[in-house]
Order: sequence, then C-alpha cells, then structure tokens
Amino acid sequence: DVKVTQSSRYLVKRTGEKVFLECVQDMDHENMFWYRQDPGLGLRLIYFSYDVKMKEKGDIPEGYSVSREKKERFSLILESASTNQTSMYLCASSFTIRSSGNTIYFGEGSWLTVV
Amino acid sequence: AQTVTQSQPEMSVQEAETVTLSCTYDTSESDYYLFWYKQPPSRQMILVIRQEAYKQQNATENRFSVNFQKAAKSFSLKISDSQLGDAAMYFCACITSGSRLTFGEGTQLTVNP
Repeated sequence: DVKVTQSSRYLVKRTGEKVFLECVQDMDHENMFWYRQDPGLGLRLIYFSYDVKMKEKGDIPEGYSVSREKKERFSLILESASTNQTSMYLCASSFTIRSSGNTIYFGEGSWLTVV
Repeated sequence: AQTVTQSQPEMSVQEAETVTLSCTYDTSESDYYLFWYKQPPSRQMILVIRQEAYKQQNATENRFSVNFQKAAKSFSLKISDSQLGDAAMYFCACITSGSRLTFGEGTQLTVNP
C-alpha cells in the first residue's frame, strides 16, 4: 500500500516559533503538495514540488517555505508562526500526469494550533 | 491561474435518491485530470472517481458517475441510490501536466434516512 506519512498529527506552538511539518512518501512519486484546510475554504495549495529541489508557489505561500532535499520527503516550514496559521495541514503526493494510473495519495493531516 | 469552483457549500438527499454535485474549473493547459474526492469526518481523503481530459467518455464507478463537459469546463458528480455512508465533504480537483493540483471549496453532503 502507498503510504504518505505526516510526522505530527497534533501540534501546539507559540507565536513566533519556527515550525517544521514533515511529509514522507514511499512510492517514488515525483509530485508532492502541501495544503491547508479551513472550514468553508476547502483545500488551499501552499506549495508544491515536481522534483527534488524543485518547488513552486501555490495560491497562499505567504508565511511558508518548503524544502525537498530528497525525493521522498517534503517539508513545510513556518518561519515565524502566527495565530492565523492555526489550521489543518494536509500533504499529498502523486506521479506526474503522464504516468498511467495517476492518483493522488494523502497523508492523515497535521492539526496545528498557534497560541 | 488555475481555479476549481464548487458553488454548492451544502447539499442534502434522501436515502436511495439521486443527487448531483456541481464543479467548474478553469485551466489554460490541455492536458489534465479531474477528480472527485470524498472526505468523511475522519478527514481521510478517499478517491471517488477520476476523469482524463482527453477521454470524451464519462467515467463511472458503480453508483458514481460524472458529466464531463470539456467545452464548458464543467465536471459534475452524480450519486445514484444514495446511502447513509455517502454523507461526507466532497471535493472536486484538477491536476495539470505542470503538476499543479487545485481543489474546490467542497460540498458538504447530508443523506437523510
């Protein structure tokens, strides 16, 4: 079974702290994604990566950065956490669209509370 | 910019009846896939159905089918013979050859017994 694993399910951080959210996939997927999910707003794309060391901004990149040093790992970084970044963060991965059987796989989500 | 829009924040259906969830999308790319995902209270995302843009035939998976209107950039989901277990948040999504994966706002489906 494909697994997308998010390192932390529940985190509580203080305003101004640096926060790392880790995501690891075991299917050699080229694409990896980070979203935040808030009620009424759906899943909003923060950043995505289509290859090692490659990244592109999504729709709401402000206040976030990412790192992809290895193909299987995609990290989301909040340089200085703020209360408006309290949310559920969801990681996903997939092969490129040109691969057959394109399917998106998701982690279980990380609930971040910034106080 | 790539967008996916779900104009129905909430829908309800009687058990055993049929319901249609709407989705429109916009992308400048010609090569893309469309998806419907279901998210129950557990928050785990479950693939419902997938459609390749180059295929004219509408995808079907048991009680789930889509109405894919490429020119209109519309991708609606029909659920037939609705069951209590179909109650969930449903998300429409689009991934392009540029690897950008965009979701809609979601539609919360309630199934009434």
